Amino acid sequence: DVKVTQSSRYLVKRTGEKVFLECVQDMDHENMFWYRQDPGLGLRLIYFSYDVKMKEKGDIPEGYSVSREKKERFSLILESASTNQTSMYLCASSSPASGSFHNEQFFGPGTRLTVL
Amino acid sequence: AQSVAQPEDQVNVAEGNPLTVKCTYSVSGNPYLFWYVQYPNRGLQFLLKYITGDNLVKGSYGVEAEFNKSQTSFHLKKPSALVSDSALYFCAVDLDNYGQNFVFGPGTRLSVLP
Repeated sequence: DVKVTQSSRYLVKRTGEKVFLECVQDMDHENMFWYRQDPGLGLRLIYFSYDVKMKEKGDIPEGYSVSREKKERFSLILESASTNQTSMYLCASSSPASGSFHNEQFFGPGTRLTVL
Repeated sequence: AQSVAQPEDQVNVAEGNPLTVKCTYSVSGNPYLFWYVQYPNRGLQFLLKYITGDNLVKGSYGVEAEFNKSQTSFHLKKPSALVSDSALYFCAVDLDNYGQNFVFGPGTRLSVLP
């Protein structure tokens, strides 16, 4: 079974703190993603990475950065946390499509971050 | 804009009755469609996908979805709902051939009442 793990299930931080969210996958997937989930808005893509040291901005990258030094690990960094970054953060991984075979994304359990 | 819509925020159904969770899409080119389920305080779990071929796709937990190109829909269905089906359901579309561009709908909360 594919396993995607996230370092924390719940996290409480203060405004202005630097926050690190870690994600690890064990299936040798090339693609990794960070989403945030807010009620009524579905999932919004923050950043994704398609290879080590490669990253692409998603729909809402402002206030976030990412790091992918190893294939299995993808970190999301909040440089200076703000209250509007209180949310559920979901990490996902997938392997690229091959021909007509489009692969699903596999998700971690999520980190519920509260910024006070 | 390419998008996925789930027209109902909430669906209530009695246990034992059939359930339908609706999804419509607007994409150029071939739609690659997915359904996920999210239980409380959990990540999303993959249910099924339509890439090509048979319009009726069967997935995990006894659900199925029907791809309808003329109506640009991909509704999720189950003949007999269980209380344990209560969850948040997301429809998604893969917009490219690299698995890097998923767009998710806003989600539909399904409540199955005993």
